[in-house]
Amino acid sequence: GIQVEQSPPDLILQEGANSTLRCNFSDSVNNLQWFHQNPWGQLINLFYIPSGTKQNGRLSATTVATERYSLLYISSSQTTDSGVYFCAATYNQGGKLIFGQGTELSVKP
Amino acid sequence: KAGVTQTPRYLIKTRGQQVTLSCSPISGHRSVSWYQQTPGQGLQFLFEYFSETQRNKGNFPGRFSGRQFSNSRSEMNVSTLELGDSALYLCASSPGLAGVQDTQYFGPGTRLTVL
Repeated sequence: GIQVEQSPPDLILQEGANSTLRCNFSDSVNNLQWFHQNPWGQLINLFYIPSGTKQNGRLSATTVATERYSLLYISSSQTTDSGVYFCAATYNQGGKLIFGQGTELSVKP
Repeated sequence: KAGVTQTPRYLIKTRGQQVTLSCSPISGHRSVSWYQQTPGQGLQFLFEYFSETQRNKGNFPGRFSGRQFSNSRSEMNVSTLELGDSALYLCASSPGLAGVQDTQYFGPGTRLTVL
């Protein structure tokens, strides 16, 4: 079946460090999104990025659709960046997002 | 615009009971999707409703059902609850239209505990 795989599964950083999270997907996508799940469980939208590059403050994302991967960059990490980051993709019209297993990020002061 | 709202936020039920969860989408959004999150299985798609019709369906048993009303609000129902149904249930809304950036926005979730 269609798969979304994220790496690494866990990441521990010192405050101020940079990081790159990777998402591989097994087929062409209609929609690819990155989310941050806060400690209360809510999924916060970071990027809608089926292709190309976007930046939002210290975060940026790049999706290379032809090679079926997406990268999330976090620069100058802060303790508030801690949590689980998910990428998710849809392969047809509609809301059926297939999620990766997530990357759990811990930023130490 | 107000975000996606879900009620109730927390729920405790016993095995064999049934439960109904509610989701109100962002104003103007016509698609509502439901997801189940558990530590073992991660985030899994349950179903999607668009304009009161089920448009996509995941691989869950028939005990899980849903519906959407004319104002796009959606409910999901789980009958004959099992211990394994304990999970965070998330709903998401999106415009749902072809040719439009179909970003999904998630609600805060309903945490269901089955005893």
